[in-house]
Amino acid sequence: GQNIDQPTEMTATEGAIVQINCTYQTSGFNGLFWYQQHAGEAPTFLSYNVLDGLEEKGRFSSFLSRSKGYSYLLLKELQMKDSASYLCAVRDSNYQLIWGAGTKLIIKP
Amino acid sequence: TAGITQAPTSQILAAGRSMTLRCTQDMRHNAMYWYRQDLGLGLRLIHYSNTAGTTGKGEVPDGYSVSRANTDDFPLTLASAVPSQTSVYFCASSALSGANVLTFGAGSRLTVL
Repeated sequence: GQNIDQPTEMTATEGAIVQINCTYQTSGFNGLFWYQQHAGEAPTFLSYNVLDGLEEKGRFSSFLSRSKGYSYLLLKELQMKDSASYLCAVRDSNYQLIWGAGTKLIIKP
Repeated sequence: TAGITQAPTSQILAAGRSMTLRCTQDMRHNAMYWYRQDLGLGLRLIHYSNTAGTTGKGEVPDGYSVSRANTDDFPLTLASAVPSQTSVYFCASSALSGANVLTFGAGSRLTVL
């Protein structure tokens, strides 16, 4: 079967750096997405990786290794507003999105 | 502001009753989707539509139906609600081009008693 694994919850300190990992096993690969979801709100798009390597977008970066079925989202200079769930999703060979359960990130002052 | 509007925001429904969740987008996106989100699980696709007039089944379609009469609207109907349909429902849309990024509505919280 297809599955996406990511940690259920992580805690980090304001101003620090945190890395949220995502491993996947899917039938085919046509891109990996990271979305941010604040409690009670809709998911919003953060990043998209389709080739191996690092994509940087301000304080957020996303890395992909297709051979390892692995991605991470790196958040730098953490702010309290970064407290949210981070969802990893992979598009499979049928162009369907397979979603992880999300990682709840708690930021402490 | 362009985006997706869902209604109602929340609803409590008696088991056996029918319910339609409304979804409207003003971005002229070709594709629209309905997902449910349950604690501890990833988003699960219920139904989708790649263009007006066509619909398809997702991962968990049983007990739900959709229609796509035009580009903007994509209602989700529960014909006879059951408690296991208690969930948060998200409508989303995408342009079906480039990275095909999804834009989500604010969600509809449904409780079936």
